[in-house]
Amino acid sequence: KQEVTQIPAALSVPEGENLVLNCSFTDSAIYNLQWFRQDPGKGLTSLLLIQSSQREQTSGRLNASLDKSSGRSTLYIAASQPGDSATYLCAVTSGGSYIPTFGRGTSLIVHP
Amino acid sequence: GAVVSQHPSWVICKSGTSVKIECRSLDFQATTMFWYRQFPKQSLMLMATSNEGSKATYEQGVEKDKFLINHASLTLSTLTVTSAHPEDSSFYICSAKASGTERKFFGPGTRLTVL
Repeated sequence: KQEVTQIPAALSVPEGENLVLNCSFTDSAIYNLQWFRQDPGKGLTSLLLIQSSQREQTSGRLNASLDKSSGRSTLYIAASQPGDSATYLCAVTSGGSYIPTFGRGTSLIVHP
Repeated sequence: GAVVSQHPSWVICKSGTSVKIECRSLDFQATTMFWYRQFPKQSLMLMATSNEGSKATYEQGVEKDKFLINHASLTLSTLTVTSAHPEDSSFYICSAKASGTERKFFGPGTRLTVL
């Protein structure tokens, strides 16, 4: 059974810092990995989707990498802004089930 | 991108009543829909998977008679929480997948509070 772990659970940083959020998974036979953002009391916003054959994806200030062999993905946020404050969830879809398994998220606060 | 809506966005009900939550894919046909539950500061937990026109597949520990799922059309799935109790208070999120793709799109969620 796939298990997804996100570290750190919470992070508070001053505006402008570059950040790295970590996601690890136990079963490397994945189909894809997706990073989401969730604002308090809201649904999910998809940030980046990395297919199993890819190594990274970039969107604006966000860059996500995938290393299947080590069971890890990182989300890099450049020049963080207060508007980046949210919970970031990592979801891994394993081959066969096509159902994503979510981590518990990293709660990010970027203060001015 | 594809849009998934949920209605209502929040609901408060008395213990013992039933609540229906709708999940709609607005601009694509969703052959499969997923229902998740999220408790405060917890991750999303899959409750059930429903395919259009067939019975839902429930995850272990989820009572199918309590959480009724109907996926009657390619654009609509409903989750009915029957005889709701305070411990059912949670954030419910649906996700929809179109045929021919593995990408899933998530609804905005429904906050259920049972008094």
